[in-house]
Amino acid sequence: ETGVTQTPRHLVMGMTNKKSLKCEQHLGHNAMYWYKQSAKKPLELMFVYSLEERVENNSVPSRFSPECPNSSHLFLHLHTLQPEDSALYLCASSKTSGGTETQYFGPGTRLLVL
Amino acid sequence: AQSVTQLDSQVPVFEEAPVELRCNYSSSVSVYLFWYVQYPNQGLQLLLKYLSGSTLVKGINGFEAEFNKSQTSFHLRKPSVHISDTAEYFCAVSDDDYKLSFGAGTTVTVRA
Repeated sequence: ETGVTQTPRHLVMGMTNKKSLKCEQHLGHNAMYWYKQSAKKPLELMFVYSLEERVENNSVPSRFSPECPNSSHLFLHLHTLQPEDSALYLCASSKTSGGTETQYFGPGTRLLVL
Repeated sequence: AQSVTQLDSQVPVFEEAPVELRCNYSSSVSVYLFWYVQYPNQGLQLLLKYLSGSTLVKGINGFEAEFNKSQTSFHLRKPSVHISDTAEYFCAVSDDDYKLSFGAGTTVTVRA
């Protein structure tokens, strides 16, 4: 596999469920990101990891919990979500966390919370 | 803090016609500017970026953009579009750190 992969591609969960989103990058990058994409709204940066350390937690509710066990893998653990959390969740990576870097995106996980 | 405004939410265009997507940004410091494209059911991919130097930037698939500092704009153009250019286009700005601020996107629909 090349690039950035995300699993699952689609997820339906109830408000009391616990689930996890997985992201893997095969590019040798040192920075990884979680974004939330809602219809007709700008992408919202949720979390940033650089060299496996979290450098940004952008006022995200605690029902979203990220984990970065190594520079190639990133998880987003979900629990007691709300219907307004339904969105496309995108993972991205870049060589470093500098502002000039191109971010490479995965295809996203389409999440529906019932 | 930076912000990005994409002035058109939807742009319908006929095949082989030119297209221009408008982007304005606000920032108090030097910026880096990006255009990303999102095809249906895919993640975003970079079309082009401006870091410094020539204000006319050429990207993939025949797209180009011009950085205009005085007008704080970074408009994207293509002289002749194809059906395969149907997608959503995002303008984004960053400064020295990792925080990319995105616009709300412009949906381009190319018709035969």
